[in-house]
Amino acid sequence: DAKTTQPTSMDCAEGRAANLPCNHSTISGNEYVYWYRQIHSQGPQYIIHGLKNNETNEMASLIITEDRKSSTLILPHATLRDTAVYYCIVSLESWNTGNQFYFGTGTSLTVIP
Amino acid sequence: SQTIHQWPATLVQPVGSPLSLECTVEGTSNPNLYWYRQAAGRGLQLLFYSVGIGQISSEVPQNLSASRPQDRQFILSSKKLLLSDSGFYLCAFAGIGYGYTFGSGTRLTVV
Repeated sequence: DAKTTQPTSMDCAEGRAANLPCNHSTISGNEYVYWYRQIHSQGPQYIIHGLKNNETNEMASLIITEDRKSSTLILPHATLRDTAVYYCIVSLESWNTGNQFYFGTGTSLTVIP
Repeated sequence: SQTIHQWPATLVQPVGSPLSLECTVEGTSNPNLYWYRQAAGRGLQLLFYSVGIGQISSEVPQNLSASRPQDRQFILSSKKLLLSDSGFYLCAFAGIGYGYTFGSGTRLTVV
């Protein structure tokens, strides 16, 4: 079962920052926070992940609270192509562990022109 | 580079017919492989995962089965499709450092 809670939907104006929250109050010390997004009729796409520290890449920034019970994905300048369902997932690092990712229902982000 | 291929992209099958969806991975060896299903307007449901050849774990009881005949090949099958098997089927493998990489998906409609 998914271990995360996300708002069902959000809107964001084009060019503005989109801040997508995620609660994961039962996260354990060795579990990572992963973010994926799914554009309609495509497979989910990896965005970013982190353990404790904030992370940034060319797509987004990930802010994890000090107690690690919540996080925020930030798309700094949202474009219309960022309209998608965004999934927050808590999991052990997937490589070589055989563990599974459980997806919740995610947040449907709509970027408005 | 690591890539994943999944086919066909779309499939329309009559109720009671068999199903075979294939997924192959390139650029990595002994990957963890996964099959997910997404019903219309719903989230992704993990169906099967495999950590090696011939090793299949099922997450939910259902009308489907999975097999891994080769290291980088993962097959989803059914002997007799039901209407409820309709959905978007996704194959994925676990990559180093960034979680899962998903295929482009197969949209199955059972009529």
